[in-house]
Amino acid sequence: NAGVTQTPKFQVLKTGQSMTLQCAQDMNHNSMYWYRQDPGMGLRLIYYSASEGTTDKGEVPNGYNVSRLNKREFSLRLESAAPSQTSVYFCASSEVGGTPSGYTFGSGTRLTVV
Amino acid sequence: KQEVTQIPAALSVPEGENLVLNCSFTDSAIYNLQWFRQDPGKGLTSLLLIQSSQREQTSGRLNASLDKSSGRSTLYIAASQPGDSATYLCAVTYQKVTFGIGTKLQVIP
Repeated sequence: NAGVTQTPKFQVLKTGQSMTLQCAQDMNHNSMYWYRQDPGMGLRLIYYSASEGTTDKGEVPNGYNVSRLNKREFSLRLESAAPSQTSVYFCASSEVGGTPSGYTFGSGTRLTVV
Repeated sequence: KQEVTQIPAALSVPEGENLVLNCSFTDSAIYNLQWFRQDPGKGLTSLLLIQSSQREQTSGRLNASLDKSSGRSTLYIAASQPGDSATYLCAVTYQKVTFGIGTKLQVIP
């Protein structure tokens, strides 16, 4: 099925470890996004990529880096994980054009930092 | 700064009841508004997308309306079923997307 694929689905890290969350979409969307979702705080934008070759900070970028590898793939890296980064991470994509389309979300990565 | 509010935060209804979920936003300059469903431990599934030029969208038992001038959208669910139990989020798009925190719906058999 067409959509947004995220890997891994679950991950436990120790404080200070690094990891990369992978995201790929097969809908030929231009824009891709990384969000984190925490109880009572809703979805918060970490980074986004409006088009291939560009990335920009969102609302909560500290402690994260991203790479837009090509039009399909957008990865999120935690260089030195902290317990405050325990969260559920969602990748999303959208077609941005004359009439912006809606978002399509991946199924999420549940990350625990101990 | 755009703010999106969803009231109530939680709602419990008996099966078969028609219900309305509310979403309000502070800035009427939007491209579109989207309603999502999120099941526990799962991702967000898009239900309905309303472009700024539209007044409503329908899909099956779901109907979403948009009143940009008043900054409001409603999601109407007809003949609710236990399978409708989930958290429903709305999101508005202009230069960026702003999400509400959601309404947690429980439909009791």
